[in-house]
Amino acid sequence: ETGVTQTPRHLVMGMTNKKSLKCEQHLGHNAMYWYKQSAKKPLELMFVYNFKEQTENNSVPSRFSPECPNSSHLFLHLHTLQPEDSALYLCASSQDWISYGYTFGSGTRLTVV
Amino acid sequence: GQQVMQIPQYQHVQEGEDFTTYCNSSTTLSNIQWYKQRPGGHPVFLIQLVKSGEVKKQKRLTFQFGEAKKNSSLHITATQTTDVGTYFCAGVPDSSYKLIFGSGTRLLVRP
Repeated sequence: ETGVTQTPRHLVMGMTNKKSLKCEQHLGHNAMYWYKQSAKKPLELMFVYNFKEQTENNSVPSRFSPECPNSSHLFLHLHTLQPEDSALYLCASSQDWISYGYTFGSGTRLTVV
Repeated sequence: GQQVMQIPQYQHVQEGEDFTTYCNSSTTLSNIQWYKQRPGGHPVFLIQLVKSGEVKKQKRLTFQFGEAKKNSSLHITATQTTDVGTYFCAGVPDSSYKLIFGSGTRLLVRP
């Protein structure tokens, strides 16, 4: 285990469903991130939270809604997704938003049908 | 926008051969990092370079940061089958705090 735990590992959802991805880190880090990894594309930064505050929304469609109730937990709420949203969603954390060496979770493999 | 380009996209080598992947940024970087992602796995942080011209080594891996702080390379000496995976560079532009990932180089090693 990396110290960053993501659940579920796999998720299949219909376009009308609502689901949530969960990320929990046990490293005492203060910054958490959501990344999207699609085939043939670089890792795309979606959201950044630093000390529970959202500091970055990288032009992500509103059908993705993040939530960070505390520095250890991060959620990504999904609703009315499209098939092109199928990807590996990775959560990462770092000590803070200007220190690097991210620790990634194992990811959630999302398939939208 | 700011981009980090990485080449080659794929590299297939015989075990024991050397391997190099190159990373180039359109802007000056305050630092550059390297990650490895095994097949079916997640990116794992390898190293961070901060200084112009910096060279760091980890066993058979040698990392370099260019003098202009716009390019970097990762060289693996005498590859092993355990080196299989995708190697990503990721840079932080001087004007930003965002970590921008390259597209990765996928390394395959023939035993």
